[in-house]
Amino acid sequence: EAGVTQFPSHSVIEKGQTVTLRCDPISGHDNLYWYRRVMGKEIKFLLHFVKESKQDESGMPNNRFLAERTGGTYSTLKVQPAELEDSGVYFCASSQAVKQFFGPGTRLTVL
Amino acid sequence: EDQVTQSPEALRLQEGESSSLNCSYTVSGLRGLFWYRQDPGKGPEFLFTLYSAGEEKEKERLKATLTKKESFLHITAPKPEDSATYLCAVTKDSGGSNYKLTFGKGTLLTVNP
Repeated sequence: EAGVTQFPSHSVIEKGQTVTLRCDPISGHDNLYWYRRVMGKEIKFLLHFVKESKQDESGMPNNRFLAERTGGTYSTLKVQPAELEDSGVYFCASSQAVKQFFGPGTRLTVL
Repeated sequence: EDQVTQSPEALRLQEGESSSLNCSYTVSGLRGLFWYRQDPGKGPEFLFTLYSAGEEKEKERLKATLTKKESFLHITAPKPEDSATYLCAVTKDSGGSNYKLTFGKGTLLTVNP
């Protein structure tokens, strides 16, 4: 069975540009989470979907971040416009219950 | 505010030299404590979930234990392939199916042959 996949693996953009990250969860997993690790810090929760509905957005840094989950399948996280402090590794995880399976992450570098 | 503190930040062992990693946590309404392993350039890989004080789980050379304030990850006779960053995370009672995780910074383990 395929695991959680994320695309792209690495993105380098300039400040002010827009970037969209994609996550494909494990098939059948209703729960989808986004997390972010900024250099030198711990991995931090961003938001949680159950199917196509946002259940918890308490970790989203500001309104430059927009997450969607089309039809309860894949999810996208758009950053517009990107700022320098948005650089980090963005992880997606999916689950049926408690145990979360993580994707390999997208490394975002904002110059 | 929920908090997870891992120690040490880095640990270097010789192959076969057993040791323990510590995870101290402060959370109201603990729902579960998780240990993950992360290799460079990869996402966290699930190892264990512990739910209540006194619980223990084992997998190969790893054993995780839980008390009301901390968890230990014991590594017995480690091998070089056990080298990785070990992450501890907790989830609290947020209602419904929301098991959002609060992570520690991790312990970077290096096992020399």
